[in-house]
Amino acid sequence: SQQGEEDPQALSIQEGENATMNCSYKTSINNLQWYRQNSGRGLVHLILIRSNEREKHSGRLRVTLDTSKKSSSLLITASRAADTASYFCATVVNTGTASKLTFGTGTRLQVTL
Amino acid sequence: NAGVTQTPKFQVLKTGQSMTLQCAQDMNHNSMYWYRQDPGMGLRLIYYSASEGTTDKGEVPNGYNVSRLNKREFSLRLESAAPSQTSVYFCASRGSMLRGSDTQYFGPGTRLTVL
Repeated sequence: SQQGEEDPQALSIQEGENATMNCSYKTSINNLQWYRQNSGRGLVHLILIRSNEREKHSGRLRVTLDTSKKSSSLLITASRAADTASYFCATVVNTGTASKLTFGTGTRLQVTL
Repeated sequence: NAGVTQTPKFQVLKTGQSMTLQCAQDMNHNSMYWYRQDPGMGLRLIYYSASEGTTDKGEVPNGYNVSRLNKREFSLRLESAAPSQTSVYFCASRGSMLRGSDTQYFGPGTRLTVL
């Protein structure tokens, strides 16, 4: 079963606007990650936030994590057409020597000129 | 560094045929994973290998087998393909947890159609 549910499923904005995507999950986690997938390509890691962190920044990306609400958000500021892609949250529960990712269903972002 | 490579990129099978999807990584990673991605479902874990010589089932292992041939290579086999296995398959690898690396690196995917 999917751990994460993302909202919205699809988002269309104009270049320069900010894009916010939300992710909710069900169980306790060690960390939460966001990945990007361009059409027809593999996933690329964007940012990781640990369960004891509340906010993290990387360039134009800002991620928040609220473990009490079991939710996270990804904010992309000053979006560009090249940001058009699908974005997935993935929760991590470390078990022994393995670390398994459980993905959400993704948000399709379309940035138009 | 090529990162994670997968072959083939595309494959069409008939129901009942078998095939092996190949995955290799050149990052000296311990853990490797196989996922499938269906429309609107995100990625689901099929099997994983925490280290060379070990494999474990993920969320959707039925109909698949895996082999961790060596540290670099992790293959996924469909013994008797079914239309429900039509999907895009991704291989991923991850460095050592002891080094605090939780990021997974993904291959470009194999698009499989079973008729």
